[in-house]
Order: sequence, then structure tokens, then C-alpha cells
Amino acid sequence: GEDVEQSLFLSVREGDSSVINCTYTDSSSTYLYWYKQEPGAGLQLLTYIFSNMDMKQDQRLTVLLNKKDKHLSLRIADTQTGDSAIYFCAEKFPGNTGKLIFGQGTTLQVKP
Amino acid sequence: DGGITQSPKYLFRKEGQNVTLSCEQNLNHDAMYWYRQDPGQGLRLIYYSQIVNDFQKGDIAEGYSVSREKKESFPLTVTSAQKNPTAFYLCASSIKSGLLTAGELFFGEGSRLTVL
Repeated sequence: GEDVEQSLFLSVREGDSSVINCTYTDSSSTYLYWYKQEPGAGLQLLTYIFSNMDMKQDQRLTVLLNKKDKHLSLRIADTQTGDSAIYFCAEKFPGNTGKLIFGQGTTLQVKP
Repeated sequence: DGGITQSPKYLFRKEGQNVTLSCEQNLNHDAMYWYRQDPGQGLRLIYYSQIVNDFQKGDIAEGYSVSREKKESFPLTVTSAQKNPTAFYLCASSIKSGLLTAGELFFGEGSRLTVL
């Protein structure tokens, strides 16, 4: 069945780049997403990428998609302490249900 | 401002009691979803609804019930049959999904349920 995997924890220094990785199993996924969750809050959509693209850039965020390896990554340039949060990768469930399948989330810790 | 409102933010329940979590949206979205979040497990889908008066079970529907009598509202009832209900519950909504629409989900701020 469909599955999305992420590493659970990443620690970086302020000003460095962060790269959060995700693998997924369903090659028919049309859209893949990155969400951010701050403590005690809901999820905020950061960006998404259509499956016929291999890269999308939005200010400090760069998404890379390798469809052959079913690998998605989120790069955050010049990481700030305000970027500390949990980051979720998600893929769109095949069909018209609108369901998303989420990974376990990667906790990003940014040290000053 | 448009958005999704969940209430209450914190809720305590005794074992054996049913509780209902509220979710209201004013985004004019057709589809609404309930997810459960446990530490280290990501989000798991409980129920979803793509249209008024219709809803489908997600991956972990046992012990939960929903209704969709109005487009704006999708309340979730956690029944006494749910064996481990302590969790963070997230409601989301989206425009009606198609194969080539992103259909991104917009989330509320969540409700934390603790069973005493």
C-alpha cells in the first residue's frame, strides 16, 4: 500500500542549510507536499510540487523530486531559529478522494 | 478572515464518555477531513467527506463517528468504543479534488483530547 517515510530528527546551526528527506511508495502520486507544524498548532502548507516537475523554488525553500527513486527533499537555505518545527512530507492518494498520506514528520532543531 | 476553527482546543474526558470535537470552515470548501496525530506516527486519517450528507471511513475509523449536515461543519465524536483516544485531533478542508488539482489541505489549530 501507500507509505511515506521520513527521518525523525535533524539538527543544524543557524545560517546553515537544512535538507529534509522523504521517500514514498506510490509512483502514480500526482502531487507531493511539504507542511510545517509548530508546537501545539495545526499544519501549515509550505509548498507542493506536481509530479512532472523535478524542482521547485520558493524564496528560501527548494523542493527536489526524483520520481525514479521516489525521493522528495526540502532544502531550507539560511536556516533560522524560527524554522524550528516538525516538517511533514505528504503524497496525494491516487484517485479523486483528495486524501493525503503523511510521513511521520521530521523534527528540525536549529541551534543558535 | 477565512479559515478553519476547531473547538475546544483542550478537552478532558473520563473513560466511558463520548465527546464531540467541533470543526467549522468558512472557506467554501467542499471536502473536509479528520486526522489523528500521535507522537512519532505522523497523521492518520479518521474520516473524510467530499460533499454534504456523505462521508467515508479513513484508515482508523473504529470508535469514531462523524456527520456532515452542513457544508461548513464536520463534527467528530470520539465514542467510548475508542480504546486509546488520547491524541491531538486535526481537522482540514480542501476544494473538491480532481486528478489534476493540487487539492492542498488547509488545517485548523487542532484539539488535544486527554482521557483521564
